[in-house]
Amino acid sequence: DTGVSQNPRHKITKRGQNVTFRCDPISEHNRLYWYRQTLGQGPEFLTYFQNEAQLEKSRLLSDRFSAERPKGSFSTLEIQRTEQGDSAMYLCASSPSWYEQYFGPGTRLTVT
Amino acid sequence: QQPVQSPQAVILREGEDAVINCSSSKALYSVHWYRQKHGEAPVFLMILLKGGEQKGHEKISASFNEKKQQSSLYLTASQLSYSGTYFCGTERKGFGNEKLTFGTGTRLTIIP
Repeated sequence: DTGVSQNPRHKITKRGQNVTFRCDPISEHNRLYWYRQTLGQGPEFLTYFQNEAQLEKSRLLSDRFSAERPKGSFSTLEIQRTEQGDSAMYLCASSPSWYEQYFGPGTRLTVT
Repeated sequence: QQPVQSPQAVILREGEDAVINCSSSKALYSVHWYRQKHGEAPVFLMILLKGGEQKGHEKISASFNEKKQQSSLYLTASQLSYSGTYFCGTERKGFGNEKLTFGTGTRLTIIP
C-alpha cells in the first residue's frame, strides 16, 4: 500500500507566479479530492473528481484555481497569479468508496 | 456553512474520558470524524449517516442526533496516541462521501 503521494512537498514562489501541484491517489480509488488547510483551521474543500469527471468545486476554483484529472488517474491543481493569501497546505485525498478518504502528506505553499 | 466544534481544546490524563461535539445549523446527511496529528495528514475515524448507519476503524464511538444536527465523538480510557486535533466534516447532499465542510477542530492533549 503506497498511499496517496503529493509533489512537491514544499513550494516557495513569488507573488504573481503560477504554481502546479500533483497528486497521485491510491491506485483504483475513483474519487479524488483537493483541500486547502491553513494553520489552526480544518481542511477547506476545493474540488472533487469521480474518475476524470470534476463533480463539485468551490467558488475558489472559478478564477485563479483550476484542477484536472486526466484519464482518472493522477490530478493536478494549478494556481495562477499567486497571492500571499494562497499560502497554505494543499491536501489531496482519495477514496474507494462512499465513506472514507485517505489523505496525502500535502504540499506546503509559501507565497513571498 | 462551517460546523461548530466544542470544546476548542481539552487536556486529559491518560485513562480519562472526553466528549467532542460538532454542531451544524443546516440539515445534514452525514458526519465524518478525522484526527490529525501535528505535521501529519488527517486520518479517518468514523462516519455517521442519517438513519443510523455507522462505519469506523477504531474503538471510538460516536453519535449523530439528526433532529439537532449534532454529533458527538466519545473517547474513553484515553491513550497517549489519542492526542491530536479532531475535525468533524459534515455533508449535506446525501450521496455519501461528497463535499465535506470541516469544523475548526478540537485539540486534544493526553498527558501521562
